[in-house]
Amino acid sequence: GEKVEQHESTLSVREGDSAVINCTYTDTASSYFPWYKQEAGKGLHFVIDIRSNVDRKQSQRLIVLLDKKAKRFSLHITATQPEDSAIYFCAAASSGSWQLIFGSGTQLTVMP
Amino acid sequence: DMKVTQMPRYLIKRMGENVLLECGQDMSHETMYWYRQDPGLGLQLIYISYDVDSNSEGDIPKGYRVSRKKREHFSLILDSAKTNQTSVYFCASSFNRNTEVFFGKGTRLTVV
Repeated sequence: GEKVEQHESTLSVREGDSAVINCTYTDTASSYFPWYKQEAGKGLHFVIDIRSNVDRKQSQRLIVLLDKKAKRFSLHITATQPEDSAIYFCAAASSGSWQLIFGSGTQLTVMP
Repeated sequence: DMKVTQMPRYLIKRMGENVLLECGQDMSHETMYWYRQDPGLGLQLIYISYDVDSNSEGDIPKGYRVSRKKREHFSLILDSAKTNQTSVYFCASSFNRNTEVFFGKGTRLTVV
């Protein structure tokens, strides 16, 4: 079955710098790639997604890139702020599936 | 107000006791999920429910069962809890496949 690997378990950046979190997936049928944010003690909150018909999507300071050949996708957070500190999860699903397969999470710390 | 509500938020049970985790959503979503989250493992799907009395096993259903008698409620039951079921459990719901999944705040279950 599908496996999603999230490469950075922790990431520290200085406020104002960019943060990049990378994920790879195994199933070529995967076509939907959302990202979720989890703040301490809370549930996951959707932040952005990308579908396989595009290779880039931006929402304010968040950019998602998708490289279908390499089966890799990444979340770029520009001009980071302390409130960006959280655990970020990538996920993947095929178009016919209800099930999201999650990566193991990246703890992002934005230092003032 | 789009919300997934989980009760209780914290629970301590003895090994062998039965456990009932409850979840409600106010978005009329047909599809609901139960996940567990363990450090370094991301989220693992326990069960998915497509509607009332229409439930399917996820990746780790062993030791769990579910009940969905009303669209807005989805319960997770552990019959005779085991110490390795100590985890944080998340309920979630979505309107359709490959769309935003809404998560509850989680239930931290400790089995001693």
